[in-house]
Amino acid sequence: DAKTTQPPSMDCAEGRAANLPCNHSTISGNEYVYWYRQIHSQGPQYIIHGLKNNETNEMASLIITEDRKSSTLILPHATLRDTAVYYCIVRYDNNDMRFGAGTRLTVKP
Amino acid sequence: NAGVTQTPKFRVLKTGQSMTLLCAQDMNHEYMYWYRQDPGMGLRLIHYSVGEGTTAKGEVPDGYNVSRLKKQNFLLGLESAAPSQTSVYFCASSPWDRANNEQFFGPGTRLTVL
Repeated sequence: DAKTTQPPSMDCAEGRAANLPCNHSTISGNEYVYWYRQIHSQGPQYIIHGLKNNETNEMASLIITEDRKSSTLILPHATLRDTAVYYCIVRYDNNDMRFGAGTRLTVKP
Repeated sequence: NAGVTQTPKFRVLKTGQSMTLLCAQDMNHEYMYWYRQDPGMGLRLIHYSVGEGTTAKGEVPDGYNVSRLKKQNFLLGLESAAPSQTSVYFCASSPWDRANNEQFFGPGTRLTVL
């Protein structure tokens, strides 16, 4: 079973920030949180990852709570091209990552 | 760089037939993975490899075999295809770095077993 819980779907207005939550209450101290997205039926695309601290790159920001039991992916200015399924993943040992069903984000004009 | 490529893109098999899916990467990555994705679901790991000559089972390994004879190639075999193996298959590769395991995915192979 996946170790994360995400809402099945979310909507966001174009140009606004999209905040995608993820619950990983059973995460252990040395497990990373990764975010990927999948547009249509393409291969998943890496977005960002983190361990304890908040992280930011050119695509998004990742906010991890102090107790590490949940995190939020932030797309600061969502565009129509950000419509995709977003996966929050906790990395197991040996790089065995378990993808859940993800959140289907729809960006609307 | 081509990144991760998969061959073929589409395939239709009859029950009981065999086939091999080829994954190739040109990024000199140590790790390679095979996933399957059924409609409306996330990816599930079939097998993975941490280096040339080594393989390991993932979440759903039954009915599949793999080989990693060369670092840049990872083969997925179906010895006797079943309709339950109808799916989209994705290959991925990543470097070994405990702090950064970004996986790079191929475009997928759509397999239908009749």
